[in-house]
Amino acid sequence: AQRVTQPEKLLSVFKGAPVELKCNYSYSGSPELFWYVQYSRQRLQLLLRHISRESIKGFTADLNKGETSFHLKKPFAQEEDSAMYYCALRRGQFYFGTGTSLTVIP
Amino acid sequence: GAGVSQSPRYKVAKRGQDVALRCDPISGHVSLFWYQQALGQGPEFLTYFQNEAQLDKSGLPSDRFFAERPEGSVSTLKIQRTQQEDSAVYLCASSYGRLSYEQYFGPGTRLTVT
Repeated sequence: AQRVTQPEKLLSVFKGAPVELKCNYSYSGSPELFWYVQYSRQRLQLLLRHISRESIKGFTADLNKGETSFHLKKPFAQEEDSAMYYCALRRGQFYFGTGTSLTVIP
Repeated sequence: GAGVSQSPRYKVAKRGQDVALRCDPISGHVSLFWYQQALGQGPEFLTYFQNEAQLDKSGLPSDRFFAERPEGSVSTLKIQRTQQEDSAVYLCASSYGRLSYEQYFGPGTRLTVT
């Protein structure tokens, strides 16, 4: 069963514009959610997790249990944010979404 | 320190051949994961080791897939009688402890079955 949905395969925004990458999940318990990022020619790496409620590289993500969402947001996109972003849910093993490719246009 | 390494980085196999993919996790990392990532998809869980014990192999797609980690360090994912649908990037990740949330990924092995 699909547990993590990222509805946008591709997303383009202009530099300095706000960006939101959507993630919805299906899980009845208390989810443990993460965002992973893969920059060009680099490895997949952890960006942030919901428990820590931290801002990493200007990105934040809020867990909305009512809407079962964990959208990733940044108020002002930078060119170096261009990358592939994966939302992931951990329930024992990790379940990844299909990813959103973000392009920030200079 | 060195991160997770995988070898080979690229592998081309003819349909029906057996392949072995190697993962060297970060030294001291207890947990090791294998994922399969098909083109345009996210990583899909295959199997999980805690030290040498394979605690979860629910993601292995068929009995042609076999993984081992005999000494709790290096792991090998073996695919027997490869099929075209096995073509994918195989990712290995390790993490420090059993409950650690942060996985460190290797560069992946791109397997192409012709």
